[in-house]
Amino acid sequence: NAGVTQTPKFRVLKTGQSMTLLCAQDMNHEYMYWYRQDPGMGLRLIHYSVGEGTTAKGEVPDGYNVSRLKKQNFLLGLESAAPSQTSVYFCASSYAWDRGLDQPQHFGDGTRLSIL
Amino acid sequence: KQEVTQIPAALSVPEGENLVLNCSFTDSAIYNLQWFRQDPGKGLTSLLLIQSSQREQTSGRLNASLDKSSGRSTLYIAASQPGDSATYLCAVLTSGTYKYIFGTGTRLKVLA
Repeated sequence: NAGVTQTPKFRVLKTGQSMTLLCAQDMNHEYMYWYRQDPGMGLRLIHYSVGEGTTAKGEVPDGYNVSRLKKQNFLLGLESAAPSQTSVYFCASSYAWDRGLDQPQHFGDGTRLSIL
Repeated sequence: KQEVTQIPAALSVPEGENLVLNCSFTDSAIYNLQWFRQDPGKGLTSLLLIQSSQREQTSGRLNASLDKSSGRSTLYIAASQPGDSATYLCAVLTSGTYKYIFGTGTRLKVLA
C-alpha cells in the first residue's frame, strides 16, 4: 500500500520556468490538498479538492493552478516560477467528512523545489 | 480567522521524562483537531485525531486532550524515548470549512 506518492522529490527551476507536481493516492480518498512548508511559517494550504473535477483556493493560491481529473491524482502547476515559490510542497489526502470514518490526513514525503 | 499557536517552539528533555506539548487556537468552533509528527526531510504522520465532541484520545504512550471552550489542546508523551525526537504539529479544522490550519510546531529532542 503506497499511500500518498509525490513526484518528483527534488527539482531546481529557473525563474520563469513552469512545472507540474504530481500527487497520487491509492486509498480512495475524496479530499486532496496541496500545502507548502516554509521555515517559521508552518504549513499553508495552497489549493484543495473535495472530489474529482472540483478544486478550490486555499490560503496562498496565487501563482499556482491545480487539476483533479481523476480521483486518485491531484496536480499542482507553477505557471511562471518565482524565487518566492522556493519551498517544500506536501500533498495530503483524506476521506470525506460525511463518510463516518476516521478522517486523518495522510501526507506524502514532499517535493523540495528551488527556484533560482 | 483561525490562528493556531504552539508553545514551546523547541524542547529538550532527558530520556524517560513525561512531557506536555501545547496547542492553542483562537476560534472554538472546530470540527476536529489533529496532532502530527514530522521527522526531518519527511512528511507528516497523523498521531491522534480528536473530534470536537471528544475530550481526549489515547494511542500507546500518547494522550491528546481537547478543551474547546478555552481553545486548547495538549499532547502528553509518557516515558519519552530518543525515538520520539521529531517536530510535533497540531492542526485545527474549523467548522464549515475544508481547511486545516497548522501551528508552526514544537521541535522535540529527547536525550539518551
